[in-house]
Amino acid sequence: SYELTQPPSVSVSPGQTASLTCSGDKLGDRYACWYQQKPGQSPVLVIYQDNKRPSGIPERFSGSNSGNTATLTIRGTQTMDEADYYCQAWDSVTVAFGGGTKLTVL
Amino acid sequence: QVQLVQSGGEVKKPGTSVKVSCKTSGYTFIRHAISWVRQVPGQGLEWVGWISPDNRNTNYAQKFEGRVTMTTDTSTRTVYMELRSLRSDDTAVYYCAREGIPAAVPAENYFDSWGQGTLVSVSS
Repeated sequence: SYELTQPPSVSVSPGQTASLTCSGDKLGDRYACWYQQKPGQSPVLVIYQDNKRPSGIPERFSGSNSGNTATLTIRGTQTMDEADYYCQAWDSVTVAFGGGTKLTVL
Repeated sequence: QVQLVQSGGEVKKPGTSVKVSCKTSGYTFIRHAISWVRQVPGQGLEWVGWISPDNRNTNYAQKFEGRVTMTTDTSTRTVYMELRSLRSDDTAVYYCAREGIPAAVPAENYFDSWGQGTLVSVSS
């Protein structure tokens, strides 16, 4: 099965840029998407097809995907962005999720 | 607007089965596939499987093959997931999630709407 690897935690100061990575074999040849999950809530799509933002997602969220790594970038990080973030990609007709990164804003 | 409303929490004994429902509204039901994703408390997201309400095709994660069945009821716009032979490590929140692009190649798709989650607790 296809594996996606994320660092367990990332810390960032408010107003700074957070970069969250997701690694997988030739991930750049697939579409990657990202979900934000706050405690006790369902996941929310924040980036799809590598770099597209759904309506309602702030412009400070952006994505890229090349080689073996997809990156979620949050510019001007706010305290409300503190959450778990999961990357996801398809492996043929099955879905792979990364293990998640806990973003701490302090 | 798109809504996915799941059934309430369940407490089950090991070896029994559970059937969780996901009632949808706000879009053309048969056009969007639904996946089920689970999350063990304190852990990450795990994909369980997928069903197309259009042709009722299914695809399950290998880990759950033989224990899970996904079905749909077009008349009530509801998707179901049944998990059998429950074990304590099946204790998790189960989410239904809608694929955003209708009838798309899976590799292009993503989950744009999620249900509120259903906690299934398995304990003797």
